[in-house]
Amino acid sequence: QVQLQESGPGLVKPSGTLSLTCAVSGGSISSSNWWSWVRQPPGKGLEWIGEIYHTGSTNYNPSLKSRVTISVDKSKNQFSLKLSSVTAADTAVYYCARRPDGESYYGMDVWGQGTTVTVSS
Amino acid sequence: DIQMTQSPSSVSASVGDRVTITCRASQDISNWLAWYQQKPGKAPKLLIYAASSLQSGVPSRFSGSGSGTDFTLTISSLQPEDFATFYCQQAHSFPFTFGPGTKVDIK
Repeated sequence: QVQLQESGPGLVKPSGTLSLTCAVSGGSISSSNWWSWVRQPPGKGLEWIGEIYHTGSTNYNPSLKSRVTISVDKSKNQFSLKLSSVTAADTAVYYCARRPDGESYYGMDVWGQGTTVTVSS
Repeated sequence: DIQMTQSPSSVSASVGDRVTITCRASQDISNWLAWYQQKPGKAPKLLIYAASSLQSGVPSRFSGSGSGTDFTLTISSLQPEDFATFYCQQAHSFPFTFGPGTKVDIK
């Protein structure tokens, strides 16, 4: 079955750029799925960041849109998140997830284990 | 943005209890709603999609209902492994938004 694994630096300096990658195994990133990023600040709820389709089509949360870029690398079967100009408020556990495409909403049915990113000098 | 609210914010219950969690959307989202369970230190797990469809592998004691703006998640007989935080999430409009969560703990 499909598995997702996040990777990237656990510590980012303020004003820097957070960069994470989600490796997709057990299936193709070119399948009929949207590939998403969701984050969770310590002790708080879930925030949807955005998603990408293998064609490169993206949807972003407007609250982050000016700082976020999600990209896909089909040759490596992975997708990535870049968040620029980070502050302490961006400290969170970052999850990647799969959302099947379709006429209805099938939920985000596969999740990575999450990776903690701390913004600090 | 569509605002999602949940009630209660927390509930204390015993094994075997029936537990109902309510989720309300700030506007009509039809059935574009999912429910997730999250345990401490773990990723969310999809329980229900399209408001009332049970995700494969999820026990049948979990059920979802509702359409439009009002939704419920019901656990018919709470089991020890069900103690967790539950989130609703709408996918009717971007940005997708989650409810604040309902924590179910042991009475």
